[in-house]
Amino acid sequence: QQQVKQSPQSLIVQKGGISIINCAYENTAFDYFPWYQQFPGKGPALLIAIRPDVSEKKEGRFTISFNKSAKQFSLHIMDSQPGDSATYFCAANQGRGYKLSFGAGTTVTVRA
Amino acid sequence: GAVVSQHPSRVICKSGTSVKIECRSLDFQATTMFWYRQFPKKSLMLMATSNEGSKATYEQGVEKDKFLINHASLTLSTLTVTSAHPEDSSFYICSARDQTRGNTIYFGEGSWLTVV
Repeated sequence: QQQVKQSPQSLIVQKGGISIINCAYENTAFDYFPWYQQFPGKGPALLIAIRPDVSEKKEGRFTISFNKSAKQFSLHIMDSQPGDSATYFCAANQGRGYKLSFGAGTTVTVRA
Repeated sequence: GAVVSQHPSRVICKSGTSVKIECRSLDFQATTMFWYRQFPKKSLMLMATSNEGSKATYEQGVEKDKFLINHASLTLSTLTVTSAHPEDSSFYICSARDQTRGNTIYFGEGSWLTVV
């Protein structure tokens, strides 16, 4: 049973557009929410992460929005570029043990 | 960000043989490392948690005698696939927890295993 539900499964966006990926969770003990970017044949790379004490975190063109009451968080990729074409995974972690629960992944295609 | 290195990046082995994959944290010490398996176009499936100096903790359904994990030092964990079969062919990825960077989890580049 997947503890983190991610949508959409895939999306296509034009260059310069905004990509939005959503994730929802049930376990209120989760206290760390990272996003990973994965290119084909490579390991996931940490993109940005947030803890539940803040509602938004921005790093460059990437923003995480976090809604604790709704148990949802999302990744926004602003000014999407062809180089952003990759699979993005949201994840959640409960403090002890540090095991990450991953979403199913979203394949983003940015068309030039 | 921190660097986690895996070796080899690709390996082909014959059915029935064993193959070892190494995971190293290059610029931090990791008391905890994780091993994942990923099928094409699928999410990461956690296989086990590797704890330095103690036995690994395996996820339900993962055969501990088939996937041997050793975490002998604070910078190295190894995954040995024993008596490999073609169905063990997969992308294996490790990650490591960096306590000096807020327990952030960093992933290696992955290792492609093909069993022929």
